[in-house]
Amino acid sequence: DAGVTQSPTHLIKTRGQQVTLRCSPKSGHDTVSWYQQALGQGPQFIFQYYEEEERQRGNFPDRFSGHQFPNYSSELNVNALLLGDSALYLCASSYGTENEKLFFGSGTQLSVL
Amino acid sequence: EDQVTQSPEALRLQEGESSSLNCSYTVSGLRGLFWYRQDPGKGPEFLFTLYSAGEEKEKERLKATLTKKESFLHITAPKPEDSATYLCAVQHGQNFVFGPGTRLSVLP
Repeated sequence: DAGVTQSPTHLIKTRGQQVTLRCSPKSGHDTVSWYQQALGQGPQFIFQYYEEEERQRGNFPDRFSGHQFPNYSSELNVNALLLGDSALYLCASSYGTENEKLFFGSGTQLSVL
Repeated sequence: EDQVTQSPEALRLQEGESSSLNCSYTVSGLRGLFWYRQDPGKGPEFLFTLYSAGEEKEKERLKATLTKKESFLHITAPKPEDSATYLCAVQHGQNFVFGPGTRLSVLP
């Protein structure tokens, strides 16, 4: 049973560029959440997708956007990259929006130069 | 605003030396207190959920306890493979607020 898979594992971009990160949830899960984890910090909630809609959003600017596809996979897009966007981006999946047990992928390490 | 703090920031133990990690939280209406383990280069892995003060959960060498203001993760006779960052989180609506974590190193 495949767990949560994320791609790519590592990415290097320059300031001002745009990036798309991808996530496939664990089999049987229909809800995807995205988190940003800066070095030495805990994960910070970006947003959650369920039934192809953004259900809840954390304190992140509109430069961060997402999408969920009918097969429950998801993308995270970040526009106009800033140096401060350098972080580990984690995708977590669950079944239903009220399910408290999150399964995380290994993340995408984004470096903005 | 929900807040989670953890102490110590880092902890080094000798193999077999028991200790405890602390998680303090302020939240309006606790729905659950969660502990996760995170290895370098990996995503967090779920360990425990605690719902009410006085509750305890155990898994191998780990035991989590909960009071009205904090949670403890007790590690009994740790082994080097227990080395990791331990994160706690509280549930806020449909998302989670994580603490900064405690980096645990267990030396052989």
